Amino acid sequence: SAVISQKPSRDICQRGTSLTIQCQVDSQVTMMFWYRQQPGQSLTLIATANQGSEATYESGFVIDKFPISRPNLTFSTLTVSNMSPEDSSIYLCSVEPPGLKNIQYFGAGTRLSVL
Amino acid sequence: AQTVTQSQPEMSVQEAETVTLSCTYDTSESNYYLFWYKQPPSRQMILVIRQEAYKQQNATENRFSVNFQKAAKSFSLKISDSQLGDTAMYFCAFMKNTGNQFYFGTGTSLTVIP
Repeated sequence: SAVISQKPSRDICQRGTSLTIQCQVDSQVTMMFWYRQQPGQSLTLIATANQGSEATYESGFVIDKFPISRPNLTFSTLTVSNMSPEDSSIYLCSVEPPGLKNIQYFGAGTRLSVL
Repeated sequence: AQTVTQSQPEMSVQEAETVTLSCTYDTSESNYYLFWYKQPPSRQMILVIRQEAYKQQNATENRFSVNFQKAAKSFSLKISDSQLGDTAMYFCAFMKNTGNQFYFGTGTSLTVIP
């Protein structure tokens, strides 16, 4: 498995501001993923982040709203930009662990509330 | 397109009893993976069990086992000897063999009653 640390664990933000969420892994991984879980809902993939290339966004998500950085093989950030109350969700990162395919381990998530 | 359906939004079980959570899916793929993840109130998504579609043998992990019926596209999770710590939201998920994107069900909230 992999140990995944996400920061912050929760935050309350004002409308119009931006928040950057960090995801740190204890081992080098090629694939990192960002998910959104809206209240009472299941998880929806926002984007896939590979080191050294632009993130690949899923339908309905755009880079201007959710810019992602992937500077090395153990770290990624997701920024939620120009927030509105509709962005209130849990944001989770996950990784495909080294040496394994078709499996992902998740961080503990960031609970974001936008006022 | 892949879809995953969990028809039981909420379930409860007495401590030490057995409970089965249902999951059905739809796909045209012949090779894929199925998962059960557990999300307790702490929000951490924890992998409970994984099944490879080309393996006929049902996966087991201690008190957790699955009943995988490929023809029926059914993938239920059985929890034996339920414990209070099993209280959580349980998500069924599908992944193509050739990809890494999850398709999640809507979840089943399980409460273990002391």
